Amino acid sequence: GENVEQHPSTLSVQEGDSAVIKCTYSDSASNYFPWYKQELGKRPQLIIDIRSNVGEKKDQRIAVTLNKTAKHFSLHITETQPEDSAVYFCAASMNYGGSQGNLIFGKGTKLSVKP
Amino acid sequence: NAGVMQNPRHLVRRRGQEARLRCSPMKGHSHVYWYRQLPEEGLKFMVYLQKENIIDESGMPKERFSAEFPKEGPSILRIQQVVRGDSAAYFCASAWGTLSSYEQYFGPGTRLTVT
Repeated sequence: GENVEQHPSTLSVQEGDSAVIKCTYSDSASNYFPWYKQELGKRPQLIIDIRSNVGEKKDQRIAVTLNKTAKHFSLHITETQPEDSAVYFCAASMNYGGSQGNLIFGKGTKLSVKP
Repeated sequence: NAGVMQNPRHLVRRRGQEARLRCSPMKGHSHVYWYRQLPEEGLKFMVYLQKENIIDESGMPKERFSAEFPKEGPSILRIQQVVRGDSAAYFCASAWGTLSSYEQYFGPGTRLTVT
């Protein structure tokens, strides 16, 4: 089955710097790659996603890139702010019988942004 | 426009009791996914349901755990004869389920504590 690896497990940056989180996946049939932000005790919130027919997607300070050949995708956060501090999860999924199947998650990256 | 609802938010059970977790998907969503999150870990897929059907239960333990999504009412995850290892946060997510709309939106979770 699909396996998603995520690095680093912890990341500390200064406010205003950029942060990059990387994930790899194993199953070439995966075609959807969302990123979730989870604050302590809260629900995972979808912040950006990308499909396999797109190489890059940007939304204000957040961008995601996908390399299908290498089976890896990355989250880029620019001009980080203290409120970006949270745990970030990457995930992958594939079509399942005419709909989209379950998400396979990475183990998460704890991002700390120091003022 | 309510999001995904889960109840109860916190549930305490003694070993051997039953736990029932409820999930009401977003309006219009007919697909529900259940995930389990152990402390300081990622989310693990348990089961994927559509109305009145279990689509994929490959992530759910074969004993003591069951799930349903009836034609009317919320989806229910049922854990019989709970053990301490069942203590975790249980999240459900809902989706449109079409191949043009992949996004899964998470509920606030039910934090189960087994004493």
